[in-house]
Amino acid sequence: EPEVTQTPSHQVTQMGQEVILRCVPISNHLYFYWYRQILGQKVEFLVSFYNNEISEKSEIFDDQFSVERPDGSNFTLKIRSTKLEDSAMYFCASRGWTFYEQYFGPGTRLTVT
Amino acid sequence: AQKVTQAQTEISVVEKEDVTLDCVYETRDTTYYLFWYKQPPSGELVFLIRRNSFDEQNEISGRYSWNFQKSTSSFNFTITASQVVDSAVYFCALSEPQETSGSRLTFGEGTQLTVNP
Repeated sequence: EPEVTQTPSHQVTQMGQEVILRCVPISNHLYFYWYRQILGQKVEFLVSFYNNEISEKSEIFDDQFSVERPDGSNFTLKIRSTKLEDSAMYFCASRGWTFYEQYFGPGTRLTVT
Repeated sequence: AQKVTQAQTEISVVEKEDVTLDCVYETRDTTYYLFWYKQPPSGELVFLIRRNSFDEQNEISGRYSWNFQKSTSSFNFTITASQVVDSAVYFCALSEPQETSGSRLTFGEGTQLTVNP
């Protein structure tokens, strides 16, 4: 069964460093998303991406964040200069055209020290 | 603006008990989708069910059932004869489908269900 994959599973970085989180969505899906979950809290929407551009972003997704689909399979989230409060689990999700359920990857735990 | 409320932060039951997880939502759209996701201790988010706003038929899948009531803006989830493996955080979520905006999911705070042997 196709699934969303994410790498790395855990990333530790120092404050101020750039990180790139990688995702491979399900191959025939058209919509791609990033969400984050601070430990013990709810899942929060960051950004959606469709037709090679951002379709919607939340107030969390400021100028420090960017997304890219550099080729036909990968979908990346870049944080330019990480802050302590960026420590969270980051989930990638994708969905197809017809149905609205999103399928999530296993997440990348980002720890900023 | 869309909002999802899961008033039960934690629920603890003994195995084989039935348990209902509550979800109340707010939306201004007439067309929307509701979802339940399960987050086991391993951390991944597992899709359980999607309901459309125009289909109020309740659904049963094995030990799981869902009660959708538009009149009370609720989409409750019942686990019958609970098992230890049902222990997880359960999230209710709402999506207002838009052609161009991507249909973000708005999640509730989640309910931590613990099933004790």
